[in-house]
Amino acid sequence: DAGVIQSPRHEVTEMGQEVTLRCKPISGHDYLFWYRQTMMRGLELLIYFNNNVPIDDSGMPEDRFSAKMPNASFSTLKIQPSEPRDSAVYFCASSSDRGFEKLFFGSGTQLSVL
Amino acid sequence: KQEVTQIPAALSVPEGENLVLNCSFTDSAIYNLQWFRQDPGKGLTSLLLIQSSQREQTSGRLNASLDKSSGRSTLYIAASQPGDSATYLCAVRFVTGRRALTFGSGTRLQVQP
Repeated sequence: DAGVIQSPRHEVTEMGQEVTLRCKPISGHDYLFWYRQTMMRGLELLIYFNNNVPIDDSGMPEDRFSAKMPNASFSTLKIQPSEPRDSAVYFCASSSDRGFEKLFFGSGTQLSVL
Repeated sequence: KQEVTQIPAALSVPEGENLVLNCSFTDSAIYNLQWFRQDPGKGLTSLLLIQSSQREQTSGRLNASLDKSSGRSTLYIAASQPGDSATYLCAVRFVTGRRALTFGSGTRLQVQP
């Protein structure tokens, strides 16, 4: 398996634009997580899905952020409109529900909002 | 509030030294604890996973211990090498509250050749 795949690797956009981040989890994993990492706040959980259903979105900063998981192999995190304070590294991770196994991370998307 | 704290925030040691990284958590009711490594500009790689019923896990030169009652875990790195230079993060899956991992802020390790 290729691991968790995220795209794009880097995204530079202007304030007010829509940004869409993509993630393909490891095949067979039941859980998918979106995290955001900044120097000030470290790694923060934004939302996670179990079997494609959003379970906890209490970490989503505000209504400008939305996430979907239309099927077991694809998820998106959308920011509309984007703001400079959204600049961060966004990570997607997946895991299996069997015995609370290890969490596997993608390489992340470095987002810069100018 | 469930929190994970890591001390120290940064550490610099000469090559060959044995070292210990510390992690503490505020709620002893946990499912498991994981140690991750993060290289600059990269994602996180899981190093060791300790279930709540376990006391320690070992992988090569790495040994992680868990003392659930005191809310502490340590990551021991033996005979450190320059290639060990990275940020090490501790993450806990608590039983109550949010089911996903809660991360510490990490310890940035520099091993000097």
